[in-house]
Amino acid sequence: DAKTTQPPSMDCAEGRAANLPCNHSTISGNEYVYWYRQIHSQGPQYIIHGLKNNETNEMASLIITEDRKSSTLILPHATLRDTAVYYCIVRADNYGQNFVFGPGTRLSVLP
Amino acid sequence: GAVVSQHPSRVICKSGTSVKIECRSLDFQATTMFWYRQFPKQSLMLMATSNEGSKATYEQGVEKDKFLINHASLTLSTLTVTSAHPEDSSFYICSARGQGPYVAFFGQGTRLTVV
Repeated sequence: DAKTTQPPSMDCAEGRAANLPCNHSTISGNEYVYWYRQIHSQGPQYIIHGLKNNETNEMASLIITEDRKSSTLILPHATLRDTAVYYCIVRADNYGQNFVFGPGTRLSVLP
Repeated sequence: GAVVSQHPSRVICKSGTSVKIECRSLDFQATTMFWYRQFPKQSLMLMATSNEGSKATYEQGVEKDKFLINHASLTLSTLTVTSAHPEDSSFYICSARGQGPYVAFFGQGTRLTVV
């Protein structure tokens, strides 16, 4: 079972920041937070991951609370192409361990 | 990021026939690959874990004789759906760990339709 809780859906205006929350209150000390997204009829796309520090890359920023029980994925300037299902996944650093997908958040970027 | 290529992207086959799906890691070696299945409006469900040079590990409820997995090299894993039936119609996705220690990359998926 997924170890995360996400809202089922969110809307965001084009050009505005999209803030996607994720609750992972049972996260363990050796577990990372990963974010992927899936655009319709495609495989999941890696976005970002982190352990406890905030992270930023060319796609997004990841803000992890100090207690690590929740995090927020931020898309700074959402575009229509960011419409997708976003998955927050908690996973230990184990090479053979798979990624368990929950239902995710369906983000709709509106013109 | 690393590239995982899946082929074919879409296939239609007749009931009772077999279909092979290939998953390749193009720019890295993957000792472990994963196969997922996704039904419409549902999330990805892990079917099996494929380890190079050894037998795959199947999740509970997944028939190993029906979904044959071969991981003969560090860059190629195949999933063969044998004696396919309409209920096997689904979106099949593979993934492989990248060169970094933590991130998995996914193929573009294969849409299988059994008629």
